[in-house]
Parts: sequence; C-alpha cells; structure tokens
Amino acid sequence: GAGVSQSPRYKVAKRGQDVALRCDPISGHVSLFWYQQALGQGPEFLTYFQNEAQLDKSGLPSDRFFAERPEGSVSTLKIQRTQQEDSAVYLCASSSGLTWSYEQYFGPGTRLTVT
Amino acid sequence: AQTVTQSQPEMSVQEAETVTLSCTYDTSESDYYLFWYKQPPSRQMILVIRQEAYKQQNATENRFSVNFQKAAKSFSLKISDSQLGDAAMYFCAYRRGGSQGNLIFGKGTKLSVKP
Repeated sequence: GAGVSQSPRYKVAKRGQDVALRCDPISGHVSLFWYQQALGQGPEFLTYFQNEAQLDKSGLPSDRFFAERPEGSVSTLKIQRTQQEDSAVYLCASSSGLTWSYEQYFGPGTRLTVT
Repeated sequence: AQTVTQSQPEMSVQEAETVTLSCTYDTSESDYYLFWYKQPPSRQMILVIRQEAYKQQNATENRFSVNFQKAAKSFSLKISDSQLGDAAMYFCAYRRGGSQGNLIFGKGTKLSVKP
C-alpha cells in the first residue's frame, strides 16, 4: 500500500524542549532505520530496528536521543532537551528485511528547527 | 570504517545531454552493495540504481548506468538524455553485505538541468 510516512513534516522547538518524531513504515517491513540529514549534507545513520528489537544505536549522537518501536511497526524518535545542533531533517527508512531485498524506502522526513 | 566521497558538490547539464557524477569509497570488505539515490527538492529520496560488488557487469536502469571500478573503488553514475526532472541531489551510498545494515552516504552532488 502506502509508502513510508513521517509526522510531523515540520517541527519548530525552542531550545530545551522535548520532541517526538513519528515514522510509519511500509506495512510488513521488518527493518526500520533512522537517519539525520544536516543542511547540505548526506544522511547519517542514527539507529536500526529489526521488528521491535533495536539492534544498532551506534549513530545516536548523545543520550538525549532515544528511539523505540514497541510493537514492531510504528517507531518514534525522541529528542530530549533539544539543542540548536539538533536542527536537521530526520529521515526514516524501512526495508522488508529479507537478505536479498536490500532496498530501503525512505519517508519524506521531518524538518526540525531548534530556535 | 567505510567512507563515501563525492567530490562534485554541483554539476550542470544541458537537457538531452549526458552527465557523469563521481563517487569513490573506501572499504576493506569484499562483500558490499553500492547505490545511487536521488533526492528532489522537498521530496522523498528514491533509489536510482544499485550494484552488487560481486557482479562485474555494470548495472543499468533505462537512462541511468554506472561505471563500477572495484579495484579503484570508484562508482560513477552516468545519466543519458538528461531531462528536466532529473534535477535533484544525488547521493552515492554504501552498504556492507551479508545482512541488513545501514547505508553510508556521501555528501551529495546537486545536479541542475538547463533547458
């Protein structure tokens, strides 16, 4: 059916506020990835889920970043006490998880601006 | 650690002509995949073409083809018969083989198409 969706599309937060970004992957996709894309840069990996298990969180820049996928479908990326350097587009991607099907499908992203 | 380098921040091509975007990468692994993604302004990132490292034959998708030089660790994208809709950011990406893993992106090349 539908592709990967993300909400909100735009978020403005004051420095110090907490934000939550949502990702709805393609139905049935096992793998889910979060990337951070700073202005004028390529996306950088944040974290990876296989079903509800967070298998890799090596890209999270600080302990203010937290991601979850409790039922193996929708995922939320939470940023606590936002800082100006957190301003970026946050991309979510999903994949069927089969080793031979390696295409990651990307959502439109959430543009976070911290003022 | 694997790295991906795109040395052309911006490129321009005349409509209907051919343009080549460059990408080099560094890895010590023998099993991996390479990708070119297109990111139109304010739109979702989509996969253009992919190449498995174990395949010697260069991948082709309609007007898009790659020149994969494994020994030189080079992976360039050729766009033939350029169209206005090809204008976008193009990202080269690497993923290690064997399992679902995250993509490692270059910084991107902004392609403009002149009518």
